[in-house]
Amino acid sequence: DAKTTQPPSMDCAEGRAANLPCNHSTISGNEYVYWYRQIHSQGPQYIIHGLKNNETNEMASLIITEDRKSSTLILPHATLRDTAVYYCIVRGNGNQFYFGTGTSLTVIP
Amino acid sequence: DAGITQSPRHKVTETGTPVTLRCHQTENHRYMYWYRQDPGHGLRLIHYSYGVKDTDKGEVSDGYSVSRSKTEDFLLTLESATSSQTSVYFCAISSGQGRGETQYFGPGTRLLVL
Repeated sequence: DAKTTQPPSMDCAEGRAANLPCNHSTISGNEYVYWYRQIHSQGPQYIIHGLKNNETNEMASLIITEDRKSSTLILPHATLRDTAVYYCIVRGNGNQFYFGTGTSLTVIP
Repeated sequence: DAGITQSPRHKVTETGTPVTLRCHQTENHRYMYWYRQDPGHGLRLIHYSYGVKDTDKGEVSDGYSVSRSKTEDFLLTLESATSSQTSVYFCAISSGQGRGETQYFGPGTRLLVL
């Protein structure tokens, strides 16, 4: 599975959009991009995933660049409850999700 | 949220004692996983199961065993707990392992081995 690079921390004002970047320059054509988040002391929560097209669900939007070397998770209207560590994971076949250190997002009132 | 429960949620035990953690799912998913999470290491796969009585080792399986006698239950056993096994343990489930399949995680069990 390809390695990902995320900024260690970000702040976002409550009510504004939170844009979390992820670089995955070694991604291969059959690998998906997944996003999870982990709120303190809780289990990782699935947010969204995609292959090459942009995706949107009730939680977030995932924008994947045309060359697939990077992606952005967008939380359209961040709330205090979105404060968490966000993990970008690239995965092909296999039994494991490799969680790195992620981005610690703090939503500020 | 996926129907995954873990028990116990917290446990304190002594070195050398056996410990069993339970993961229970109501989703009828075929695949179940045990991970541990430690500072600086992210989540690491311990063991996983691809069906009743079918299990395989993960990245950090030494000192752990698992059993799955029913689709809904996946047990993780520390035969003789050591302080290095102090960790937060997460169970996960998925309906498949192919590209695009998603794993859903339970709430975790915090284990302290004294």
